[in-house]
Amino acid sequence: EIVLTQSPGTLSLSPGERATLSCRASQSVTSNYLAWYHQKPGQAPRLLIYGASSRATGFPDRFSGSGSGTDFTLTISRLEPEDFAVYYCQHYGRSAGTFGPGTKVDIK
Amino acid sequence: QVQLVESGGGVVQPGRSLRLSCAVSGFTFSSYGMHWVRQAPGKGLEWVAVISYDGSNKYYADSVKGRFTISRDNSKNTLYLQMNSLRAEDTAVYYCAKDSSRSYDILTGLLSVGYFDCWGQGTLVTVSS
Repeated sequence: EIVLTQSPGTLSLSPGERATLSCRASQSVTSNYLAWYHQKPGQAPRLLIYGASSRATGFPDRFSGSGSGTDFTLTISRLEPEDFAVYYCQHYGRSAGTFGPGTKVDIK
Repeated sequence: QVQLVESGGGVVQPGRSLRLSCAVSGFTFSSYGMHWVRQAPGKGLEWVAVISYDGSNKYYADSVKGRFTISRDNSKNTLYLQMNSLRAEDTAVYYCAKDSSRSYDILTGLLSVGYFDCWGQGTLVTVSS
């Protein structure tokens, strides 16, 4: 079973700054089956990125995903107020959809 | 538009049972796998169970195996989660989520899960005496 580790646990930044979130897998992720989800307090998660780098409907191009193998990155180029949330990575495919522990992006 | 609406949550005593439902609309329910994911208060996301598009394959997290049963009624566009022998550690918001695939590899007969492209708003289950 693939275990996902996310870092940092919390990222404190100001609006307009760049955010870089890391997701590391314990084994190589097949076919880049790596997704990112965005969750605001009191709301359900929303799909943000799939296939490691494809952006889901409704999210602007300041969000980008990259990486392959065991190391993946979510980048938010310039933080907007609505981007302060928790971000989870997830491996899918042969496994059942294991989530990482999450990275909270909060306002500095 | 795609909608997933969970219901059935509430307060239940340890050892008792509860059944959650997830009514869906806006897509061809019978073509996609479906999941239950839970989130304990202040914690991260924990995948609970998956059912393939036709209900023929089901998989569970070790933490709920033998106690929870996932099922679906494609004629009613509804997903279910029967939860028995509930424990305090089952306290969480339970979300249903749509898989982007059938959750089943026809060629191999094995689990093949996609990303979760739509989620319900969640229903809170509290297990407490």
